[in-house]
Amino acid sequence: GAGVSQTPSNKVTEKGKYVELRCDPISGHTALYWYRQSLGQGPEFLIYFQGTGAADDSGLPNDRFFAVRPEGSVSTLKIQRTERGDSAVYLCASSPTRPGRDEQFFGPGTRLTVL
Amino acid sequence: ELKVEQNPLFLSMQEGKNYTIYCNYSTTSDRLYWYRQDPGKSLESLFVLLSNGAVKQEGRLMASLDTKARLSTLHITAAVHDLSATYFCAVDNSGYALNFGKGTSLLVTP
Repeated sequence: GAGVSQTPSNKVTEKGKYVELRCDPISGHTALYWYRQSLGQGPEFLIYFQGTGAADDSGLPNDRFFAVRPEGSVSTLKIQRTERGDSAVYLCASSPTRPGRDEQFFGPGTRLTVL
Repeated sequence: ELKVEQNPLFLSMQEGKNYTIYCNYSTTSDRLYWYRQDPGKSLESLFVLLSNGAVKQEGRLMASLDTKARLSTLHITAAVHDLSATYFCAVDNSGYALNFGKGTSLLVTP
């Protein structure tokens, strides 16, 4: 079946611009996660959704970052006033209804470059 | 704060040899995951370890978990070139957020 998909695969923007990154989870998965992976590092947790609500957004680095999942399926990560330090690969993952027991399935990621 | 440390971070090994990657973590957890990442690709799930003493094997890879020692190992048997990749362990002590190590970059040479 279809896995987690993310668009765009690459995004180049200028410092100060606004960007949106989209994640389409595996059909039927109620849990959705965003992570950020910098070069040479492991992914870092950003935010977790259970259904439509953000159950934990403690990993978001600051208030320029925001994520939504209005219908409990597709999620959008929004970054305002981008900075060069935001450059990274943004990974989305989903899992069935039992987070903490089910593995998380990762999408291919969006590589964000802020010039 | 949960810290996850992997070692080694870089590993070059010959085909046919055996080796072990270690994953130590700093706080109590009984949920540990191993992922593989190829260059420019996303993370592929290898093993899910959910209890003390759990051992899982797939092909030339075997993973184990000792929650008392806060240690997981990924053992590679008779390495082949196709195993060249970066391997991450990740620990979950919140019920959802994975805390990843820095990864072990493995290169298998003829």
